[in-house]
Formats: sequence, C-alpha cells, structure tokens
Amino acid sequence: SQQGEEDPQALSIQEGENATMNCSYKTSINNLQWYRQNSGRGLVHLILIRSNEREKHSGRLRVTLDTSKKSSSLLITASRAADTASYFCATDAYNQGGKLIFGQGTELSVKP
Amino acid sequence: EAGVAQSPRYKIIEKRQSVAFWCNPISGHATLYWYQQILGQGPKLLIQFQNNGVVDDSQLPKDRFSAERLKGVDSTLKIQPAKLEDSAVYLCASSRTDSGNTIYFGEGSWLTVV
Repeated sequence: SQQGEEDPQALSIQEGENATMNCSYKTSINNLQWYRQNSGRGLVHLILIRSNEREKHSGRLRVTLDTSKKSSSLLITASRAADTASYFCATDAYNQGGKLIFGQGTELSVKP
Repeated sequence: EAGVAQSPRYKIIEKRQSVAFWCNPISGHATLYWYQQILGQGPKLLIQFQNNGVVDDSQLPKDRFSAERLKGVDSTLKIQPAKLEDSAVYLCASSRTDSGNTIYFGEGSWLTVV
C-alpha cells in the first residue's frame, strides 16, 4: 500500500524557476524523506525531516512538514536542467519498524 | 565508501523461467531492503532484513519470490517461475539501522519477462 501521495504527478518548468512538489500521507510518522531518481538510475537521498521539525534546508532545497495536515512540500529554488528527475517522498511510519513507504513520485522536467 | 552493489544490471527471461539477483550492501549496514519498482510507480518494499533475520516480508509474493541474507551481509532475491507482471526494476538498499536513518540504494537490476 502507498502511504505517500505526491502532487503534481508531472511538472515542467524553465531553468531558473522554482519547483514545488507536495506529498500527503495517512498515518503518524517518525520522519519523512525525499529522494531523487534520475532516469535509469537508483534513488538518491536528498533530505530527511523528523516529525518534530517544521522546516529544513539543504542547499537549494527547502522541505516543510505539517503533521497536522499530514503533508510535506519540497521546494527546489533556481532550478537547473540537471534537476530533471523523478522525486519521491517516503514515510517512516510510527510503529512500522523503520519500513519506508514511497509515494508514486513527481516527474520534474526543467527546460534550459 | 563503496555503494550498494547489484548484479546483474539487466536480465531478459521468458515467462516461467527463473532469475536471481544479488546484492552487496554498504559495509557495516545492518539493514538490507529489496524494493520492486514498476515503470512509472514508486518503489514497493518486498522484504527487509535486519542482519540475517527477516523484519518484514508482508508484500513478498512467497509463492514465487524468495530472498535470503546469509551471514548478514550479501543477499539474493530469486523469482521462480517468473510472470510477465514481474517485469520491473529490483532495487536493493541498505542502512545502518532500521529506523530514522537514510537508506542507500543500488542502481537496480532491470528485469524484462517476455
């Protein structure tokens, strides 16, 4: 079963613009993580936000978490063509032994 | 440090044949995962090991899939007999502990069943 649902499913923007992807989930979590997957490759961890955190930054990435709404967003600022990839949120649900459940992903295309 | 190694990278088999995938996790990582990713979807956890014990295999189709992690290091995932719907990427991943830590993925083993 999928815990996280990303929105939108696909996003196309111009280089230099900001990209925002959203993730909603259903049950209480220990943490939420975002991963990137380039075409034909494995997933790469981007950022982890714990349930008691509201916002986290890493370079051009900004992640927010609203546990009352059971949602998270990933913002990529000043996007580059190299950011073109699929982005997945993954939830570490409470009392699930560390099992990470992934959403369906957002396919981001950044046009030069 | 070396990443998660998987082999083979690509495999094409006919339905009803068998296939095995091998994974070598990052050194020192106690937890190992096998995920199945069908094209256009997110990864789905098949099985999770903590050292050489199974933590979760609730979504593993046990009538045709099996996995083992001998000596708590390398792991193999086997499919026998394969079905057309098993065409997917099989991703192995590892982490230091089973909760709250980043998991590191290999490049995946691409399976096409014809």
